[in-house]
Amino acid sequence: NAGVTQTPKFQVLKTGQSMTLQCAQDMNHEYMSWYRQDPGMGLRLIHYSVGAGITDQGEVPNGYNVSRSTTEDFPLRLLSAAPSQTSVYFCASSLAGTGANVLTFGAGSRLTVL
Amino acid sequence: SQQGEEDPQALSIQEGENATMNCSYKTSINNLQWYRQNSGRGLVHLILIRSNEREKHSGRLRVTLDTSKKSSSLLITASRAADTASYFCATDGNSNSGYALNFGKGTSLLVTP
Repeated sequence: NAGVTQTPKFQVLKTGQSMTLQCAQDMNHEYMSWYRQDPGMGLRLIHYSVGAGITDQGEVPNGYNVSRSTTEDFPLRLLSAAPSQTSVYFCASSLAGTGANVLTFGAGSRLTVL
Repeated sequence: SQQGEEDPQALSIQEGENATMNCSYKTSINNLQWYRQNSGRGLVHLILIRSNEREKHSGRLRVTLDTSKKSSSLLITASRAADTASYFCATDGNSNSGYALNFGKGTSLLVTP
């Protein structure tokens, strides 16, 4: 049971480049989400999904796109990377409908935008 | 917007001592959770307390919740060097979907041998 798998673990981009951070879970979790973690800022929610075909914006969605075509995968796309997007990104998932959203996190993806 | 705010930002203790971290939040909640993050790793869920509960225990962890003060505390008893990590509270308040969790900025705990 792999849990939540994020790839890549590290990535360096130049300003304006695009890339996709991959997130996959094998726990049949309905809820998936992306957070970014910056020093002194804690974790901030970017986008989330409560099931295949359903996505919604979190606190800091600008500059990021998501889609949820399957239950297992929830990729995060940066269309035109900016230095302000330098951060550590975490994907997290949970079983929805249990009355409490207990998250299982991936190991993180560290992104540097030059 | 961030809902929870942990206090203190950093805490340094010796092995065997107890560590207490506090969390304050702004709006009403259904439940509050605590997570731990070891350096360079993802967050791991520790314990959940519901809004109708006042205290909960799990091993060496004790969590209290005071909804009238909108605050929670996490107590780690008889701390070990392996408890060195950052600790975050997370609440489900202020969430349109009922699913989105809001995390605080965390307390960094250092336990020295």
